[in-house]
Amino acid sequence: NAGVMQNPRHLVRRRGQEARLRCSPMKGHSHVYWYRQLPEEGLKFMVYLQKENIIDESGMPKERFSAEFPKEGPSILRIQQVVRGDSAAYFCASSLEGNSPLHFGNGTRLTVT
Amino acid sequence: AQSVSQHNHHVILSEAASLELGCNYSYGGTVNLFWYVQYPGQHLQLLLKYFSGDPLVKGIKGFEAEFIKSKFSFNLRKPSVQWSDTAEYFCAVNGGSYIPTFGRGTSLIVHP
Repeated sequence: NAGVMQNPRHLVRRRGQEARLRCSPMKGHSHVYWYRQLPEEGLKFMVYLQKENIIDESGMPKERFSAEFPKEGPSILRIQQVVRGDSAAYFCASSLEGNSPLHFGNGTRLTVT
Repeated sequence: AQSVSQHNHHVILSEAASLELGCNYSYGGTVNLFWYVQYPGQHLQLLLKYFSGDPLVKGIKGFEAEFIKSKFSFNLRKPSVQWSDTAEYFCAVNGGSYIPTFGRGTSLIVHP
């Protein structure tokens, strides 16, 4: 079952380090979304990408966060100089078309110590 | 901007009880509406969706939801819950931006 694959499942980083989260969408899907989930909060939209293009990054913090979805390979969410407040579950989802239902990965739980 | 409000954050029921989870959205135009479910230890998966047509939509595992446009609501229902329905339920709205907005989620615990 080639669903959305996220890795790693758990990631521990010390303050100031970089975190790289990977997401391989479902086969044939060219739309990728990243969401962040904090305790007692819902899923907060971060960024929406299509192959080689960032379509909407309005939910992404202006500093330290970046995302890409290259022509080949997985989508990457990169957090530089992590802080404790970055600790959260990060979910990736993909869809076939813009209005299609999303298919989610299992998420990456980032812990910053 | 679109937004979603789920009123019940925690719901506890006994098996065979009926379930209704509230979801209200704000958006002035045409919307696509979704309910997703996240079982313990698993990823979010689609429960049901509304794009157009019959406002009463049926999903997997006996769930259904009714779109009431005048009330901006899309409540989730199930006549008789089972222990296996214990999960987190998320309502989502997509108002044409291709970016679904999710509600905070409702944690449902069903006691056997």
